[in-house]
Amino acid sequence: QKEVEQNSGPLSVPEGAIASLNCTYSDRVSQSFFWYRQYSGKSPELIMSIYSNGDKEDGRFTAQLNKASQYVSLLIRDSQPSDSATYLCAVGGPTSGTYKYIFGTGTRLKVLA
Amino acid sequence: ETGVTQTPRHLVMGMTNKKSLKCEQHLGHNAMYWYKQSAKKPLELMFVYSLEERVENNSVPSRFSPECPNSSHLFLHLHTLQPEDSALYLCASSQEAGLLGGDTQYFGPGTRLTVL
Repeated sequence: QKEVEQNSGPLSVPEGAIASLNCTYSDRVSQSFFWYRQYSGKSPELIMSIYSNGDKEDGRFTAQLNKASQYVSLLIRDSQPSDSATYLCAVGGPTSGTYKYIFGTGTRLKVLA
Repeated sequence: ETGVTQTPRHLVMGMTNKKSLKCEQHLGHNAMYWYKQSAKKPLELMFVYSLEERVENNSVPSRFSPECPNSSHLFLHLHTLQPEDSALYLCASSQEAGLLGGDTQYFGPGTRLTVL
């Protein structure tokens, strides 16, 4: 059973701090990695995608991928109260002749003003 | 209208009712997906369509019946549901599916379904 693990939180950080969200996955042949943000009662929206080892930066967000250790993380710099949401990690890869995306349960982030 | 749209946004139905959820994508994508999101559980993939062909049926009970008449529209027909089927049903699309996958999925706003 392929799995994606996230700490459910809540992760509480003060406004202006760096929030660090982590995700581990079990399938070594995973190829694509995504972070989605989901506000309560809303649908997931893409924050970052990453496909290669290393860091990828987009504004205040940095995704880090380490395939050898099978983890992917998301750093949010200068956290704002509007960043308070659940962050979903998704991992994609070939499985039994098709391509599947497996989601974690999400980490709830609370940014305290 | 842009992105992925879903109707209705909220649905309450009895266990003997028949209803349908509709999804439409305006992104020119070739793949469409149905997901179920229940409280405290990860998103569960239900069905995947690639160019109107079903490429994945993730052991979903037959009381859920998908239909994809073209690459822009996806339906989920519901009949004789159970209370445990109450959840947020999300539609998504991506450029490709199958072994060409790896593209970003874009989600619709979801249908909040309550089965009484």
